[in-house]
Amino acid sequence: DAKTTQPNSMESNEEEPVHLPCNHSTISGTDYIHWYRQLPSQGPEYVIHGLTSNVNNRMASLAIAEDRKSSTLILHRATLRDAAVYYCILAGGYNKLIFGAGTRLAVHP
Amino acid sequence: DTAVSQTPKYLVTQMGNDKSIKCEQNLGHDTMYWYKQDSKKFLKIMFSYNNKELIINETVPNRFSPKSPDKAHLNLHINSLELGDSAVYFCASSQETGASTDTQYFGPGTRLTVL
Repeated sequence: DAKTTQPNSMESNEEEPVHLPCNHSTISGTDYIHWYRQLPSQGPEYVIHGLTSNVNNRMASLAIAEDRKSSTLILHRATLRDAAVYYCILAGGYNKLIFGAGTRLAVHP
Repeated sequence: DTAVSQTPKYLVTQMGNDKSIKCEQNLGHDTMYWYKQDSKKFLKIMFSYNNKELIINETVPNRFSPKSPDKAHLNLHINSLELGDSAVYFCASSQETGASTDTQYFGPGTRLTVL
């Protein structure tokens, strides 16, 4: 199972952009990059996913390096409700999600 | 309406007991999953079912047995509970299986405490 590496924690101020990095140097050609987040005392929540091209949705943007060995989740304007653990995951066969330790994002008012 | 629901939310029981956790999804999805989140907060997949058929079965003690009466339900039975089973258990569902583009929708979790 391909693995990802993320910083343990990051901090941001409210209404500022946040860039959450993820390294996945062993990614295979068919692995999709997924991001989920887990708010305190809740189940994980889907954020975004992509394969090769950059992706945007209402929650965030995903920037994928040309060699696909790294990606960055971008929250354009952090809010207090964005404080969560963010997981970068490579989805393999049968949509099996292998969660790592994730990045704990703190957002300050 | 809750998309993925689990009952109970909290479960406290003694070692050696047998307990069940129920999961229901009203999204019309074909695939359901069980994950375990231990005290160190690592989430690990345990099982997945597609249309009542077992698809993923990770290295889980055979004291854990998933049961899917229909594709909207995936229950988790745990026999002879041990202290190490204490964790938060999450149910999830997705549209299809084998599609690594599918979004998984998670339930709110069941916190199991074994005394």
